Amino acid sequence: SYVLTQPPSMSVAPGQTASITCGGNNIGGRTVHWYRQKSGQAPVLVIYYDSDRPSGIPERFSGSNSGSTATLTISRVEAGDEADYFCQVWDSLSDHPIFGGGTKLTVL
Amino acid sequence: QVQLQESGPGLVKPSQTLSLTCTVSGDSISNPNHYWSWIRQHPGKGLEWIGYIFYSGTAFYNPALKSRVAISVDTSKNQFSLNVTSVTAADSAVYYCATITLGRYSTSRWFDPWGRGTLVTVSS
Repeated sequence: SYVLTQPPSMSVAPGQTASITCGGNNIGGRTVHWYRQKSGQAPVLVIYYDSDRPSGIPERFSGSNSGSTATLTISRVEAGDEADYFCQVWDSLSDHPIFGGGTKLTVL
Repeated sequence: QVQLQESGPGLVKPSQTLSLTCTVSGDSISNPNHYWSWIRQHPGKGLEWIGYIFYSGTAFYNPALKSRVAISVDTSKNQFSLNVTSVTAADSAVYYCATITLGRYSTSRWFDPWGRGTLVTVSS
């Protein structure tokens, strides 16, 4: 079955840029979506269709997807961006979703 | 604005059936552009997809849980429900309901919005 691989954790200083990766075999041929989950809260969609932002999500959040890696980029990181981030694709063969294991982003 | 709210017992005894309901507001559960899904999250762990259902009643399940899971829909109440039979401590988790939006392509489907989640503990 298809597997999405994320680094378990990463840290970044306020004001810097965080790049959270999601690896998968030819993931560039799939559409990737990203979720933010703050502590004790439900996940929230932050990027869909690789790089589109839902209304209400700051422009600091952007996404890209090519080759074997999709990337969620958070520019000018703020303390409030500290959260777990999950990537997700949809497997058309089995017709079900696949989630990455999640990356815990710590803002120093 | 679409909102989802989970409801059901927070404590279930081992071997019994876990039953949860998700009430949808701000959208019709008969919307053909959406599926309706259940996801769970064990403490400190990632997201585990349980299954999803279309308003017609057609459902798809995680193969790992399929033998114990059933999802149903009640269009008259704008609700969908989850049953998990023969529960054990391993079924203790936060359970979320969420809307799956059908994108332009069959591979473009994402979850938005999510309910707030409900913690279910399996214990005697």
